[in-house]
Amino acid sequence: AQSVSQHNHHVILSEAASLELGCNYSYGGTVNLFWYVQYPGQHLQLLLKYFSGDPLVKGIKGFEAEFIKSKFSFNLRKPSVQWSDTAEYFCALASGGSYIPTFGRGTSLIVHP
Amino acid sequence: KAGVTQTPRYLIKTRGQQVTLSCSPISGHRSVSWYQQTPGQGLQFLFEYFSETQRNKGNFPGRFSGRQFSNSRSEMNVSTLELGDSALYLCASSLRGTSGEPYYEQYFGPGTRLTVT
Repeated sequence: AQSVSQHNHHVILSEAASLELGCNYSYGGTVNLFWYVQYPGQHLQLLLKYFSGDPLVKGIKGFEAEFIKSKFSFNLRKPSVQWSDTAEYFCALASGGSYIPTFGRGTSLIVHP
Repeated sequence: KAGVTQTPRYLIKTRGQQVTLSCSPISGHRSVSWYQQTPGQGLQFLFEYFSETQRNKGNFPGRFSGRQFSNSRSEMNVSTLELGDSALYLCASSLRGTSGEPYYEQYFGPGTRLTVT
């Protein structure tokens, strides 16, 4: 069975601070990894995805994530956060074994202006 | 292209009642998945429909059911509501290949907020 762990449940930062949200997964085969974001009152939307190739993936709004296979990790990063980045962030895994993505429990990010 | 739409957006029901939620996928998307989102459990997969057939099912009791119509619109039904069913119910649509092979990227609707009192 596949699983996703997000270690940080709540993160509070000041504007311009750097961000790294952890995501670890459990699955032995080929993986497809995603980060979704849910802004207050809005629907879940895709930030970025990794299917294959370059392990450093760039997404929208200046976010990027690095797939490290040896660590089973797919951490999300942003060098300088803005107040508008306040949202819930979800890491998700889909694999050949299960087409249906498994989501982590989410990380709530609050950015103070 | 219009996004995924869900109706209604908010619902308040009483324990023991039943409820039906509706989802219209993005035009051309034939796969519809349903999720339950709660603060404690995050997003949990309910089921997926493709070509009017349930293709995958999560670990939820039989009170939760769904169906899909020929135009890919989907409905989800919860019977005999319990307080613990209070949640945000999300619908997501995605493409599937001509032979039914999955595409992993999903597009989510705004959700239906169900409150059971």
